[in-house]
Amino acid sequence: GAGVSQTPSNKVTEKGKYVELRCDPISGHTALYWYRQSLGQGPEFLIYFQGTGAADDSGLPNDRFFAVRPEGSVSTLKIQRTERGDSAVYLCASSLNAANTGELFFGEGSRLTVL
Amino acid sequence: ELKVEQNPLFLSMQEGKNYTIYCNYSTTSARLYWYRQDPGKSLESLFVLLSNGAVKQEGRLMASLDTKARLSTLHITAAVHDLSATYFCAVDQGRSGSRLTFGEGTQLTVNP
Repeated sequence: GAGVSQTPSNKVTEKGKYVELRCDPISGHTALYWYRQSLGQGPEFLIYFQGTGAADDSGLPNDRFFAVRPEGSVSTLKIQRTERGDSAVYLCASSLNAANTGELFFGEGSRLTVL
Repeated sequence: ELKVEQNPLFLSMQEGKNYTIYCNYSTTSARLYWYRQDPGKSLESLFVLLSNGAVKQEGRLMASLDTKARLSTLHITAAVHDLSATYFCAVDQGRSGSRLTFGEGTQLTVNP
């Protein structure tokens, strides 16, 4: 597609439930990133993929969060046993490759609300 | 831990005026990015600054980078209402992969 596509755009769930957020990067971009943005804050890094492998997952807050990118394109961010503090906008970004200018192209985000 | 600080965090200005947003960061070597975010929308890339002394301009916005001072500026010339948005600077330490550390953002309101 023309840009980074994220689904769903909005997700409301109950505390304790499992959630999956999907990201479809720009075609041909090998690097994919997940960030989380809380209200009134800048985005915070979660995880970065180069191809199929997670090159840096040091931003994941705890083991309830997990992300995959099995075929090097679409990625899914998975959150288990959601908590109210997980409520945020989850942004996905892609870039041509990690060694390029580093400019990231962001999707519209998935707004997660945990009740 | 890399720290990125923007100021001001809130800026209200009149159309036609000039102003500068500052971005200070704590690492010695970095690539610096400026993004714009409209309410409820994602981040739009404005500028990529890759080396000391880099200056880029697009319309009424001009960004510069001084790596020795660990400072980037975003200068607004003759502001117009359409520039109202939140502006973020982000720093990448240049390691493999673009792990960006963002500032808190500057919420700019341009009044007619």
